[in-house]
Amino acid sequence: QVQLVQSGAEVKKPGASVKVSCKASGYTFTSYDITWVRQAPGQGLEWMGWISGYNGKTNYAQKLQGRVTVTTDTSTSTAYMELRSLRSDDTAVYYCARGGASSGYDNWGQGTLVTVSS
Amino acid sequence: QSVLTQPPSVSGAPGQRVTISCTGSSSNIGAGYDVHWYQQLPGTAPKLLIYGGGNRPSGVPDRFSGSKSGTSASLAITGPQAEDEADYYCQSYDSSLSASVFGGGTTLTVL
Repeated sequence: QVQLVQSGAEVKKPGASVKVSCKASGYTFTSYDITWVRQAPGQGLEWMGWISGYNGKTNYAQKLQGRVTVTTDTSTSTAYMELRSLRSDDTAVYYCARGGASSGYDNWGQGTLVTVSS
Repeated sequence: QSVLTQPPSVSGAPGQRVTISCTGSSSNIGAGYDVHWYQQLPGTAPKLLIYGGGNRPSGVPDRFSGSKSGTSASLAITGPQAEDEADYYCQSYDSSLSASVFGGGTTLTVL
């Protein structure tokens, strides 16, 4: 069955960077896109960015441009999301999901809590 | 505020029909982009509930249905059950933003 397993919770200081991993299994990794979504405490879902499983093309939310990078390692079927210059309002649960905007996100990782605090 | 507008909360009894609206614009739903719906139970990751406007993934009960008209979409739950108490989100693509967009979410309470 399709599984997306994310790395564990992180605590970071303001100004630091965090890199969250998302290991996929149960399907052909390069046949599907990977999307990253975050959810601040008590808030809704926020789309962060997307990477094509086919050619590695990326697209990011305008508000995160310049601070976020999404990559994949096809040899290990793993996607990564790096967020730099962390601020307190980056505190959130970060999810990876399989799929793109037009197809919907049909499988989700379990989420990774990133806490930014001095 | 979100590009897609949802009511913050809805409620209904098991014998009723509950609908959740998702209002967009000419650059997203009105432009013909598909609308997808997600269910998020407390403390868990979202789950795809409806895709392509009205299709249910395997395992989703048929009391859930989706529709779209103009610049809006709706999720209907016919005879909500206690286990359906959750947050529901709509999602589509916005051509002006060149980005995927979510609604703000709607909390369903089963009376």
